Amino acid sequence: AQTVTQSQPEMSVQEAETVTLSCTYDTSESDYYLFWYKQPPSRQMILVIRQEAYKQQNATENRFSVNFQKAAKSFSLKISDSQLGDAAMYFCAQTGANNLFFGTGTRLTVIP
Amino acid sequence: GAVVSQHPSRVICKSGTSVKIECRSLDFQATTMFWYRQFPKQSLMLMATSNEGSKATYEQGVEKDKFLINHASLTLSTLTVTSAHPEDSSFYICSASPGRAHGYTFGSGTRLTVV
Repeated sequence: AQTVTQSQPEMSVQEAETVTLSCTYDTSESDYYLFWYKQPPSRQMILVIRQEAYKQQNATENRFSVNFQKAAKSFSLKISDSQLGDAAMYFCAQTGANNLFFGTGTRLTVIP
Repeated sequence: GAVVSQHPSRVICKSGTSVKIECRSLDFQATTMFWYRQFPKQSLMLMATSNEGSKATYEQGVEKDKFLINHASLTLSTLTVTSAHPEDSSFYICSASPGRAHGYTFGSGTRLTVV
């Protein structure tokens, strides 16, 4: 069974600083994808970044980057130069056979 | 990019009535769509996988007779909450994907309140 674990229920970061959100997963599949989604107060799920498991290079999207450690089954999200608009719930997710498995989420607060 | 539209965004209904929620993929075909339920301050819980032209697959503990799913076309899936009760009040979100590598796109969600 696939499981996704986010061990940080809440995190805070000073505006313009950097923060890292942790995620570990467990899967027996060899071909899978990992995602970070953001859910602001509007509750719209927004894809932040994706990582193909077969790619060793860490994905990067502007201020967002991941540290993908396949052997350790770790997939952390780094947010650089944090902005007030980054405040939201962040969910780590992993593809199963035909759907997504979500972690429990990390609530990020950005302090002005 | 892939767009998923979900309606209505909010609905209030009386106990015992049924409510239908629609999920449409606007710019891609989706043979599979997913329905999630989200309780306040919690993660998304997969309720069922909607399959075009066939029966939905429900997760353990989800009552298929209460949460009817129909996926009659490649762009539309509906979730009907039948004989709704206050405990069915929740936030329901649908999702679809043009392919795993593209990620999964979510509708804007439906806040259901049963009074």
